[in-house]
Amino acid sequence: DAKTTQPTSMDCAEGRAANLPCNHSTISGNEYVYWYRQIHSQGPQYIIHGLKNNETNEMASLIITEDRKSSTLILPHATLRDTAVYYCIVRVGRSQGNLIFGKGTKLSVKP
Amino acid sequence: DTAVSQTPKYLVTQMGNDKSIKCEQNLGHDTMYWYKQDSKKFLKIMFSYNNKELIINETVPNRFSPKSPDKAHLNLHINSLELGDSAVYFCASSPGLRGTQYFGPGTRLLVL
Repeated sequence: DAKTTQPTSMDCAEGRAANLPCNHSTISGNEYVYWYRQIHSQGPQYIIHGLKNNETNEMASLIITEDRKSSTLILPHATLRDTAVYYCIVRVGRSQGNLIFGKGTKLSVKP
Repeated sequence: DTAVSQTPKYLVTQMGNDKSIKCEQNLGHDTMYWYKQDSKKFLKIMFSYNNKELIINETVPNRFSPKSPDKAHLNLHINSLELGDSAVYFCASSPGLRGTQYFGPGTRLLVL
């Protein structure tokens, strides 16, 4: 089972920031938080990941709370092409490496 | 250049047939995976290979047999196809077992 909880769906206006929350209250100290998205049945696309510190790349920012029990993915200026299902994943195990996908959040960016 | 590629993109076949799906990655990764996404859109790991060795074999019927001829390829062979095998199958690769995984475009399998 997925170790994360996300809202089923969210809407965002085009050009505004999209803030996608994720709860992972049982996360262990050495487990990373990964974010992927899947646009209309394409292959999942890696977005960003982090352990403790906030992270930023060309796609998004990841804010992880100090207790690491939750995080927020921020798309700073959402476009229509950002409409997708966003998955927050806690990477389990040091040796196995498999990703356990939950149901994700369906983000709809509206004009 | 496509980083992770899969062939075929679509596969329609009859029950009882045997089929293969191929995956190739040109990222130089040493770990590859197969995931299955069913009609309810749940994405689940099936197998992972590290340096051509099977690492993960989730509860998958033994009709499914992965084969890794080299580190750049991981093929999935399915025997005696059943209706419930209809799904989208995604291949992925990563630099090591803990590296970030990059996914292929998927193979849409429909068993009639």
